[in-house]
Amino acid sequence: EADIYQTPRYLVIGTGKKITLECSQTMGHDKMYWYQQDPGMELHLIHYSYGVNSTEKGDLSSESTVSRIRTEHFPLTLESARPSHTSQYLCASSATGQAIYEQYFGPGTRLTVT
Amino acid sequence: AQSVTQLGSHVSVSEGALVLLRCNYSSSVPPYLFWYVQYPNQGLQLLLKYTSAATLVKGINGFEAEFKKSETSFHLTKPSAHMSDAAEYFCAVSTPGGATNKLIFGTGTLLAVQP
Repeated sequence: EADIYQTPRYLVIGTGKKITLECSQTMGHDKMYWYQQDPGMELHLIHYSYGVNSTEKGDLSSESTVSRIRTEHFPLTLESARPSHTSQYLCASSATGQAIYEQYFGPGTRLTVT
Repeated sequence: AQSVTQLGSHVSVSEGALVLLRCNYSSSVPPYLFWYVQYPNQGLQLLLKYTSAATLVKGINGFEAEFKKSETSFHLTKPSAHMSDAAEYFCAVSTPGGATNKLIFGTGTLLAVQP
């Protein structure tokens, strides 16, 4: 079944640790996105990718980085986690074509940095 | 620049009552508009979308929304609320023709359904 996956779902980690949030999709989509969502707040786009080897910064500045080496995989990395990075991170994807503007979301990773 | 305003961060209705969640948009060009639902500890699920076809859009779970250009609105309605409708609802706007398919989200409306 075509879907979008995020791991881990929950992560509690200490300050200064390096973390990677995984996002994979089996939908064959070329565009992928990372959003940051604080409790009770809207989603803010922090990274997006048109396709392999393409990454762009989103509307909200973030200390995280992303890579897109494979079409289906779009991991997000924080080199040194800080409490200010505590948030929910949502990955999404969309296709080029008829449903071009429809984004499909993964279940999210809730990150807590202590 | 595009923006979305959702009036009412919290809405409470009784089971069986009408659900009305408000969304107003700002866009310099005719927009594409979306409603997403988010259940606790889950990602966002698309409820419905307006992409310049019919102004009254029907979605999943009995929801519908009407695009009103004169009012720059895209309010979400459901005739009869069910307990399972309790969730957070996000309105979003996108610009047709953009290469990135970027969505601009509202701040969300948390819907509570009372028995």
